Amino acid sequence: NAGVTQTPKFQVLKTGQSMTLQCAQDMNHEYMSWYRQDPGMGLRLIHYSVGAGITDQGEVPNGYNVSRSTTEDFPLRLLSAAPSQTSVYFCASSYYQGAHNEQFFGPGTRLTVL
Amino acid sequence: GENVEQHPSTLSVQEGDSAVIKCTYSDSASNYFPWYKQELGKGPQLIIDIRSNVGEKKDQRIAVTLNKTAKHFSLHITETQPEDSAVYFCAASPPEADGLTFGKGTHLIIQP
Repeated sequence: NAGVTQTPKFQVLKTGQSMTLQCAQDMNHEYMSWYRQDPGMGLRLIHYSVGAGITDQGEVPNGYNVSRSTTEDFPLRLLSAAPSQTSVYFCASSYYQGAHNEQFFGPGTRLTVL
Repeated sequence: GENVEQHPSTLSVQEGDSAVIKCTYSDSASNYFPWYKQELGKGPQLIIDIRSNVGEKKDQRIAVTLNKTAKHFSLHITETQPEDSAVYFCAASPPEADGLTFGKGTHLIIQP
């Protein structure tokens, strides 16, 4: 099993550009989520999904969209990148619904917005 | 919502000594408290978790204690080794929460 994979590993964008961060898992997990990690801020929940076709907002959803058309994939879209979105983004998944179970994190995508 | 405070932000200990990282939380309904370890350039990985129906849990050199009355929990690492050097995050979550609320992290440095 590859676990949770994320692409790209690094990305530089200009303000106003859009892009999609890819996340995939091969563990047949129902619950998937996106976090952003900023220096001295810990990890903050952006969006999450409890299964295919179901998504919801987390703590910091503004400027991001998600969709969940399959169990395996959970892409995160930046509609119009802003410097405040410079961060490291982590995708996570877990077998059971909700956060009260081991979250398996991907290796992260480091995004810089100029 | 939940708020988690974590201390210290940096902890340096001699190899073989013990390390203790402390967290406090604000929501008395929280009942799940995991600890994650993040090595450089990698995603966080769960090392131990505890639920509110127990006060302590051990796994070899790692232990977590929970004091629900005071709303704080701690990670204890004994006989520290160089591979313990990493950033450690605590988190808390009330029932039916959307996700985890993380502390800001502790950079643990093991001095040889």
